[in-house]
Amino acid sequence: QSVLTQPPSVSGAPGQRVTISCTGSSSNIGAGYDVHWYQQLPGTAPKALIYGNTNRPSGVPDRFSGSKSGTSASLAITGLQTEDEADYYCQSYDSSLSASVFGGGTKLTVL
Amino acid sequence: QVQLQESGPGLVKPSETLSLTCTVSGASISSYYWHWIRQPPGNGLEWVGFIYYSGNTNYNPSLKSRVTISVDTSKNQFSLKLTSVTAADTAVYYCARSTTVTWNRWFDPWGQGILVTVSS
Repeated sequence: QSVLTQPPSVSGAPGQRVTISCTGSSSNIGAGYDVHWYQQLPGTAPKALIYGNTNRPSGVPDRFSGSKSGTSASLAITGLQTEDEADYYCQSYDSSLSASVFGGGTKLTVL
Repeated sequence: QVQLQESGPGLVKPSETLSLTCTVSGASISSYYWHWIRQPPGNGLEWVGFIYYSGNTNYNPSLKSRVTISVDTSKNQFSLKLTSVTAADTAVYYCARSTTVTWNRWFDPWGQGILVTVSS
């Protein structure tokens, strides 16, 4: 299993708010390493959504926001749209593994 | 804008060597850090390693004994070699860029990915 733990799936209705959690440990998120988030639309490559815990790359809507506390991080999506249906991955660094690590991914369904 | 494109064989036999190339356009490879990341079908992402234009590399310890990443600055390309492949190496392989080598690196942009199947 993945070093960073995410829920396998979340869902919400259009217009609603959803959050996706990413739980790590003292050797990654808890050690102070940044958390980044990616969106992977069906059949496409991942795209950076949030970097450095809370920052959005140019072009990413402000409906997407990130936060971090202790050994966990969260991605929040407000005003859900059908085009937000995708897999979402968190990423950080793990000092025990000496490697960048990813969560297992969360599938977002917009009902 | 910066674009990355993977190329190489889509089918590799078990025990042989997987070889892929990533061509970078819209930016000089003599800046930033260039990574390989893979995704087995239906599964999550695994960081493979990176190279800097100077040739400095860093690999995922879980793959280190089998991985070599090299760079060709004259062609603005970097390459991945993975030896002694098995079915467990079947995955979509992505190349990507990071602007920092530090532990807080993140990946943007990514190539479209190339599916490599290991099978006889």
